[in-house]
Amino acid sequence: DSGVTQTPKHLITATGQRVTLRCSPRSGDLSVYWYQQSLDQGLQFLIQYYNGEERAKGNILERFSAQQFPDLHSELNLSSLELGDSALYFCASSESTSTDTQYFGPGTRLTVL
Amino acid sequence: AQTVTQSQPEMSVQEAETVTLSCTYDTSENNYYLFWYKQPPSRQMILVIRQEAYKQQNATENRFSVNFQKAAKSFSLKISDSQLGDTAMYFCAFMKSSSGTYKYIFGTGTRLKVLA
Repeated sequence: DSGVTQTPKHLITATGQRVTLRCSPRSGDLSVYWYQQSLDQGLQFLIQYYNGEERAKGNILERFSAQQFPDLHSELNLSSLELGDSALYFCASSESTSTDTQYFGPGTRLTVL
Repeated sequence: AQTVTQSQPEMSVQEAETVTLSCTYDTSENNYYLFWYKQPPSRQMILVIRQEAYKQQNATENRFSVNFQKAAKSFSLKISDSQLGDTAMYFCAFMKSSSGTYKYIFGTGTRLKVLA
């Protein structure tokens, strides 16, 4: 158990809908990262937050957004969902900088029908 | 652009034997980090080992060790005394962070099966 929690574990929704994925980092970790793992794209970095502020962006679509709250939990919002958004979404956390070891959560499996 | 290549999609090894997973990468950077992650059937990503490019000494974590060849841009993972619980997908990853930019690139993975 990495200490990173993600909810929900599974999510099934329809195209065009909007969903929110939630992540609670390990106690004391200030950075949160979001990743997408799909069959055809592999594992891709989406975005990083540090202590409530966006720190770095990867291959995140404009339909996706994220935020980190004062209690350091983070949410990833996915809107106007398409079939291709079906994937496993991971959250990871680290102590501070992105050079620190990242600890991954169990992931949220999103299925868009 | 940085790339990470894992040329072995699948491998198998007998329990208690040693296996080496290969990873090569391409970058023009001098300072960066390399990682091996394990993803068991539970799908959770677990950090196996990490190597800072500025360190010449190869990282070791119990039965896991790396052979880091910076000039050759090679970062292989050696698993000694393989155990059934080592059965998983293994991902090699490259990370570079500087001046607010951040690149974290994963290979396509090697599926390792440990045979009883």
